[in-house]
Amino acid sequence: GAVVSQHPSRVICKSGTSVKIECRSLDFQATTMFWYRQFPKQSLMLMATSNEGSKATYEQGVEKDKFLINHASLTLSTLTVTSAHPEDSSFYICSAGTPEKLFFGSGTQLSVL
Amino acid sequence: AQTVTQSQPEMSVQEAETVTLSCTYDTSESDYYLFWYKQPPSRQMILVIRQEAYKQQNATENRFSVNFQKAAKSFSLKISDSQLGDAAMYFCAPLRAQKLVFGQGTRLTINP
Repeated sequence: GAVVSQHPSRVICKSGTSVKIECRSLDFQATTMFWYRQFPKQSLMLMATSNEGSKATYEQGVEKDKFLINHASLTLSTLTVTSAHPEDSSFYICSAGTPEKLFFGSGTQLSVL
Repeated sequence: AQTVTQSQPEMSVQEAETVTLSCTYDTSESDYYLFWYKQPPSRQMILVIRQEAYKQQNATENRFSVNFQKAAKSFSLKISDSQLGDAAMYFCAPLRAQKLVFGQGTRLTINP
């Protein structure tokens, strides 16, 4: 089946630094990718929809300048957490495919010290 | 905003028995998809089953089946012959405006 690869799986950074997370569709082209955030013992919350060749669409309450999304090719979307702070520590998950059939990455645990 | 309610934060079942997880949702759309996803301790999201709202027949995937009540906006998941590997968080997720909206989740424990 289709595979979505997400890297890194875990990252620890200092407060104030930026972190980039990659999401790749390995065997299909993805014009749209989705980025979610999951706090411990909570559900997945959609952060933004990444569109190849155009600007991402952010959900209400998500700071677009803090969470930069780039979808420069049909197989790669990146999420950059800029000037990360401890409150940004969370599990970030990407997905790709059609809304009726989405494939999820394995997630990235971000810890900001 | 669309709400999705999973009223059972935790459930447990004996191995080999049957368990039903509940989900209710609201939507103004007449045609839509509904999903159940499983998230084991690895945190990898795994599709369990999908239901298309225009289909009256309840979806079935091996030991997993749904009871879809469109008028009541209810979408429960039944797991038959529960296995230890079924232990996970289960999320109900309607598709709205081409986006998945996840419920709060139900943590399922399987007792050997």
